[in-house]
Amino acid sequence: QKEVEQDPGPLSVPEGAIVSLNCTYSNSAFQYFMWYRQYSRKGPELLMYTYSSGNKEDGRFTAQVDKSSKYISLFIRDSQPSDSATYLCAMSINAGGTSYGKLTFGQGTILTVHP
Amino acid sequence: EAGVTQSPTHLIKTRGQQATLRCSPISGHTSVYWYQQALGLGLQFLLWYDEGEERNRGNFPPRFSGRQFPNYSSELNVNALELEDSALYLCASSKRGTGQRYTFGSGTRLTVV
Repeated sequence: QKEVEQDPGPLSVPEGAIVSLNCTYSNSAFQYFMWYRQYSRKGPELLMYTYSSGNKEDGRFTAQVDKSSKYISLFIRDSQPSDSATYLCAMSINAGGTSYGKLTFGQGTILTVHP
Repeated sequence: EAGVTQSPTHLIKTRGQQATLRCSPISGHTSVYWYQQALGLGLQFLLWYDEGEERNRGNFPPRFSGRQFPNYSSELNVNALELEDSALYLCASSKRGTGQRYTFGSGTRLTVV
């Protein structure tokens, strides 16, 4: 079983739709949770960074973490064609204030927003 | 501010050869991370360098190695290339005290033939 599971999609939605992207994880030691966006032929770009259960909002994006269920989500409101990309969840352990430097990524979900 | 730069953009090597990939972090960033993004396998952690030292290593064989220079730039060396090493190699950097907020470069596409 992979430590982080993410539905690879692909996911196709019309412009203006609300998009929900999800990841589940098995390692309860994960404390930091991130969402990255990766356009074709580019490196991943950090979208959201959270370290506690609950919601975090940034513009059209909302990240949700439920540590009790080991489940994280990213919601995109009013989706735009420019949101078409691969979305990757990532998680890390931070023990005693020392970072292990390692992010564990999901497989990525391919999102297409069509006009 | 210049982002994380990687060179070369593309690299084609023959099985058994050695490949050297280079990374320049964002100015002021002291940590450099290397990841492999192979088709169907997702992003896999390779190496973490901080202040010139290797701090952590992923589940890769010893023929994957690297170093970090005094100016914090880094290189990744892959010896005895195998066909399965064909992948996008991504470098990321971060600033001390910013946790896991990494900035990635655009990667080097390594093709082993």
